Amino acid sequence: LAKTTQPISMDSYEGQEVNITCSHNNIATNDYITWYQQFPSQGPRFIIQGYKTKVTNEVASLFIPADRKSSTLSLPRVSLSDTAVYYCLVVLGGGGNKLTFGTGTQLKVEL
Amino acid sequence: SAVISQKPSRDICQRGTSLTIQCQVDSQVTMMFWYRQQPGQSLTLIATANQGSEATYESGFVIDKFPISRPNLTFSTLTVSNMSPEDSSIYLCSARTDRRGAGELFFGEGSRLTVL
Repeated sequence: LAKTTQPISMDSYEGQEVNITCSHNNIATNDYITWYQQFPSQGPRFIIQGYKTKVTNEVASLFIPADRKSSTLSLPRVSLSDTAVYYCLVVLGGGGNKLTFGTGTQLKVEL
Repeated sequence: SAVISQKPSRDICQRGTSLTIQCQVDSQVTMMFWYRQQPGQSLTLIATANQGSEATYESGFVIDKFPISRPNLTFSTLTVSNMSPEDSSIYLCSARTDRRGAGELFFGEGSRLTVL
């Protein structure tokens, strides 16, 4: 599976848009890009998944360029409660496969 | 979605003892996994719990140390055997259902284990 690289930490303020970029240069044709969020003392929570272009749900947007070698998780108008670790994963399509978590990005949102 | 309950949520154990962590899912799931997360670190996959057969372990994890059971589609246990302080960690159960995409796992709250 493709290895992912993302910033170790990011800081933001309430109301701002936050964009976290993940590199996955060796992504394969059948791989999907998936993002998780983890709050302290909780298990990770699935946020969003995409294959190409743009995916949006009630929580975030995921932008994937045509070459798919990177992706950007966009969190609109963050609040203090968005302070968490965000993990970018590359997942083999078709199901039945384990997920490998990278180092993640610690997002800290302040007033 | 699937709701995953783990027991115990936390425990303090003595060196050399063993502890079994239980994972109960509120619906039938296709895949179940056990992860370990040490303080301030990312998650490391221990094994895939296979229903009715031996678990599939990742490199660095062995059955004698982390025996796993999965008797049915909603339940699994992980035992941490002959514990040492290095086993102090959070152990997380996760599961995937057929109704969700390949990358979507549900996680329990974790079991925080401290070994003295």
